[in-house]
Amino acid sequence: AQKVTQAQTEISVVEKEDVTLDCVYETRDTTYYLFWYKQPPSGELVFLIRRNSFDEQNEISGRYSWNFQKSTSSFNFTITASQVVDSAVYFCALNTDKLIFGTGTRLQVFP
Amino acid sequence: GAGVSQSPRYKVAKRGQDVALRCDPISGHVSLFWYQQALGQGPEFLTYFQNEAQLDKSGLPSDRFFAERPEGSVSTLKIQRTQQEDSAVYLCASSLDWGGLRNIQYFGAGTRLSVL
Repeated sequence: AQKVTQAQTEISVVEKEDVTLDCVYETRDTTYYLFWYKQPPSGELVFLIRRNSFDEQNEISGRYSWNFQKSTSSFNFTITASQVVDSAVYFCALNTDKLIFGTGTRLQVFP
Repeated sequence: GAGVSQSPRYKVAKRGQDVALRCDPISGHVSLFWYQQALGQGPEFLTYFQNEAQLDKSGLPSDRFFAERPEGSVSTLKIQRTQQEDSAVYLCASSLDWGGLRNIQYFGAGTRLSVL
C-alpha cells in the first residue's frame, strides 16, 4: 500500500531559524514521484517541488532545499533562515497512480 | 483566469440538501481532479477526468457523490442528500497533460462545505 507519513504535526520557530520538515513514504513501486506543496491560510495548495524516484540529487532553491534518500524512503524539506511568510501547512505527497498526501506539518514562524 | 477557480468559497447546507460545487480549471488543462480535505488532514482523492471522460471515480465515498465535466473544461461536483460527515473542504486541481505520475497538479482555493 502507498502511504506518506509526516510525523511532525506542528513546528514553531522564531524568524531566521532553520527548520526541517520530515516526510517518510511507503511504496513497492519502483517508479514514482514525490511532491511538496504549501497551503497558506488562503487555502490553495502551492506547488513547491517534484522529484522522481530515479533522481536522488538534492535540490536547492533559494532558502529551500530538499533531501531525497531512497535508502530511508525519506524526502525532507529544509527552510533556511525562516521568515514569517513561510508560516503555512506543508504537505508531502507521493504519486504512484494517484496523488497521496501526508497529514501535513503546520509551520508557525514568529517574528 | 490565471489559476484554478472554485465557487462558492463557502457553502452551508442543511442535512439532506443537495449541493453543487464548481471548478474552473486553468485554460487548456486536460486533466482535472477533485479532492476532499477534512479538518487537519491532507487532501484525499475523489475522482479524475481526462477532458470530458471520468477515468477514475474510485475515491467517491458514496453514490451520493457525482461529478461531471461535460465539455472538458468546467467541472461540477454534486453531493445529494448531504450528511454531516460530508463537511470538509473540496479542492479541485488541474494539470496540463494526461494524468501521468510526473504531472504537476495546480490547485484552487477550495470550497468549504458545512452541513448543519
